[in-house]
Amino acid sequence: DSGVTQTPKHLITATGQRVTLRCSPRSGDLSVYWYQQSLDQGLQFLIQYYNGEERAKGNILERFSAQQFPDLHSELNLSSLELGDSALYFCASSSRAGFQETQYFGPGTRLLVL
Amino acid sequence: DQQVKQNSPSLSVQEGRISILNCDYTNSMFDYFLWYKKYPAEGPTFLISISSIKDKNEDGRFTVFLNKSAKHLSLHIVPSQPGDSAVYFCAAKDNNDMRFGAGTRLTVKP
Repeated sequence: DSGVTQTPKHLITATGQRVTLRCSPRSGDLSVYWYQQSLDQGLQFLIQYYNGEERAKGNILERFSAQQFPDLHSELNLSSLELGDSALYFCASSSRAGFQETQYFGPGTRLLVL
Repeated sequence: DQQVKQNSPSLSVQEGRISILNCDYTNSMFDYFLWYKKYPAEGPTFLISISSIKDKNEDGRFTVFLNKSAKHLSLHIVPSQPGDSAVYFCAAKDNNDMRFGAGTRLTVKP
């Protein structure tokens, strides 16, 4: 158990819809990272937040957005969903901002867009 | 644009033998490299890392080797155990980005 929790575990929705994925970092960790793992793309970094502020941005689509709240939990919002957005979404946390810090991954949210 | 490549999608070894997983990268700005292990239905778990200023890092049965001139790293597991059967991802970081390879599925046969 990494100490990172993600909800929901599974999500099934339809194209065009909007969903919110939630992540609670390990106690004391200030950084949250979001990743997408799809069958054809492997694991891809989406975005990082550190202590409430956006810190780094990867391959995140404009239809996707994230935020980190004062209690340090984070939400990833996916809108205008397409079939290709079906994937496993992981969040990870680390104690500090730098990418040199070891990241601890949650169990993931499996999203299926029908 | 695949900056980190794991060219072997799968590897099968006998219990007790050495497992060698390979990873190549193209971006010379990467300065930190990690290996993660992933079991089905779980998130990746950090295994071992190496800074670009080193060429070897060892932790128990796991050793990571870095060849900067060849932009190549490898993970050695010795002796391999059936519990090591998982998907292994290598990852490379610079200050603002982290890239993963596609993963290698290791099967250790008893």
